[in-house]
Amino acid sequence: QVQLQESGPGLLRPSETLSATCVVSGYSITSGYYWGWIRQSPGKGLEWLGSIYYDGNDFLNPSLKSRVTISLETSKNQFSLDLSSVTAADTAVYYCLRHQAGVIDYWGPGTLVTVSS
Amino acid sequence: DIQMTQSPSSLSAFVGDRVTITCRASQGISFYLNWYQQKPGKAPKLLIYAASTLQDGVPSRFTGSGAGTDFSLTISSLQPEDFATYYCQQSYNTPPLTFGGGTKVEI
Repeated sequence: QVQLQESGPGLLRPSETLSATCVVSGYSITSGYYWGWIRQSPGKGLEWLGSIYYDGNDFLNPSLKSRVTISLETSKNQFSLDLSSVTAADTAVYYCLRHQAGVIDYWGPGTLVTVSS
Repeated sequence: DIQMTQSPSSLSAFVGDRVTITCRASQGISFYLNWYQQKPGKAPKLLIYAASTLQDGVPSRFTGSGAGTDFSLTISSLQPEDFATYYCQQSYNTPPLTFGGGTKVEI
């Protein structure tokens, strides 16, 4: 059974960098699939941040591209998200996920990140 | 990028009602359309992919249809556990992953 579990900082100050990690169990992230991040601001819809293919090629949301980095950590079977220069607008639940051919078949439970001074 | 528009944004219904949610793509996406269900405090869950194929374990009261630009999700007889928010998502041209704005189904 594939499982994804996010971990994040919880609370950040404006201008800091959000670093989150997604630990994957039940499947090797180097065997296939895209591994990505989506966020959901309170009471809002779903915003795709970016994805990384199992071979290391990344695809980022153009509106956030200058602030987002996604990377694989193959030795730990996990992948990570860095979002720099956060503001209150980045307050959201951050989900990690697995997808192929655009279909998301597994999601993590989400981690709430709050940006506040 | 392909834009996805859902309607209505919310609806009220009773247990046993037949409910239909629609999703329109800004350009033709063939049958590359997926539906997700999200309950409060939970991650979305895949219900239907490729417009009409039920994900394993999803009850048969859920039906997806459509192709091209216009799609629908129908719940034939609404159950208490179906009260949730539903999102459509195109998989014609990905990444990026783009979603509709969601439809909240309430009592």
